[in-house]
Amino acid sequence: AQKVTQAQTEISVVEKEDVTLDCVYETRDTTYYLFWYKQPPSGELVFLIRRNSFDEQNEISGRYSWNFQKSTSSFNFTITASQVVDSAVYFCALNPAAGNKLTFGGGTRVLVKP
Amino acid sequence: GAVVSQHPSRVICKSGTSVKIECRSLDFQATTMFWYRQFPKQSLMLMATSNEGSKATYEQGVEKDKFLINHASLTLSTLTVTSAHPEDSSFYICSARDNAEAFFGQGTRLTVV
Repeated sequence: AQKVTQAQTEISVVEKEDVTLDCVYETRDTTYYLFWYKQPPSGELVFLIRRNSFDEQNEISGRYSWNFQKSTSSFNFTITASQVVDSAVYFCALNPAAGNKLTFGGGTRVLVKP
Repeated sequence: GAVVSQHPSRVICKSGTSVKIECRSLDFQATTMFWYRQFPKQSLMLMATSNEGSKATYEQGVEKDKFLINHASLTLSTLTVTSAHPEDSSFYICSARDNAEAFFGQGTRLTVV
């Protein structure tokens, strides 16, 4: 069985602050993919990143960065210098390489205040 | 990236009627598509896996006779909510895989009155 836990249900920050979203996962698979998605108020899911379980390199994309720690089964996401447009719900998800099903975490609602 | 189009984006229907939601992969073929349901302020829950040319696979607790899924071609899957009730009001979103990446439709907000 797989499980993704996002312990923070809601985070509120002031613009330009950094915010880190935690994601902890459980799986018995040795090969899997981890994802982060953004869901703005309009509802669509926006793909942010996919990480293969064998690639533990951290990644930076603009103001976004991800820290993958296989030893602690965590895949945390940081938004640097947050902006109001970053306000959304962010989901972490897990997918075994051999299967098709995505297991989502509960989501973290980020509210960035001007 | 690949595009998945879902239609309609919003629908309001009367109790007892049926509603069909379409999910199309626009620039790739998808032998498998997925249907999720999301209640307000909650996560996405997988309802069923739609398989082209064969029966859908439903998750535990999802009524297959209520949520009819048809995957007649490699680019189209449909979800029909039959005899809708107010408790079926939710956000429904489909997904299709292109290689190792999952792409999502825009979602359909269903309100049953």
